[in-house]
Amino acid sequence: SQQGEEDPQALSIQEGENATMNCSYKTSINNLQWYRQNSGRGLVHLILIRSNEREKHSGRLRVTLDTSKKSSSLLITASRAADTASYFCATDRKDSSYKLIFGSGTRLLVRP
Amino acid sequence: DVKVTQSSRYLVKRTGEKVFLECVQDMDHENMFWYRQDPGLGLRLIYFSYDVKMKEKGDIPEGYSVSREKKERFSLILESASTNQTSMYLCASSYSGRATYEQYFGPGTRLTVT
Repeated sequence: SQQGEEDPQALSIQEGENATMNCSYKTSINNLQWYRQNSGRGLVHLILIRSNEREKHSGRLRVTLDTSKKSSSLLITASRAADTASYFCATDRKDSSYKLIFGSGTRLLVRP
Repeated sequence: DVKVTQSSRYLVKRTGEKVFLECVQDMDHENMFWYRQDPGLGLRLIYFSYDVKMKEKGDIPEGYSVSREKKERFSLILESASTNQTSMYLCASSYSGRATYEQYFGPGTRLTVT
């Protein structure tokens, strides 16, 4: 069963704008991760936020986590055409921390 | 840099054939995973291995088996390929431990079963 659900399913923005993607999950987690997937390729890890953290930054990425609402958001600032990809959130399970459950992803298109 | 490689990028097989998908990682990771990815369904875990010769079923193991004879290599086997196994197959690896670590993915194998 899917743990993470991303919203929106697809997003189209102009280069230079900010992109925000949301992820909701159902059960308690140890941490939440975000991954990027370029078309037809494998996933690349972007950022990991632990359940006791509220916000984390990495370059142009900002991730927030609200465990009370069981939700997370990924903000990409000053987007570039190269950011065009699908973005997935992944959560672990309290009973099996090394297994991740992935959502179905948000497809981001950044128009030049 | 961690490198996870998969034996083929594209593969076309006939129904009933036995199919082997190979995955190799070079970072001495204990954990290795096989996922399949289908449109609208995200990534679904087929099998994972937490040590040599150790394996555990994921969420959709039916029709698949795995083999891990060496730490760096994890193979996915389709005993008798069927058309509903047409999919993108992704291998990943990670460190083991009490905490969850990031997973490193290979480039994927797009398998078509005709």
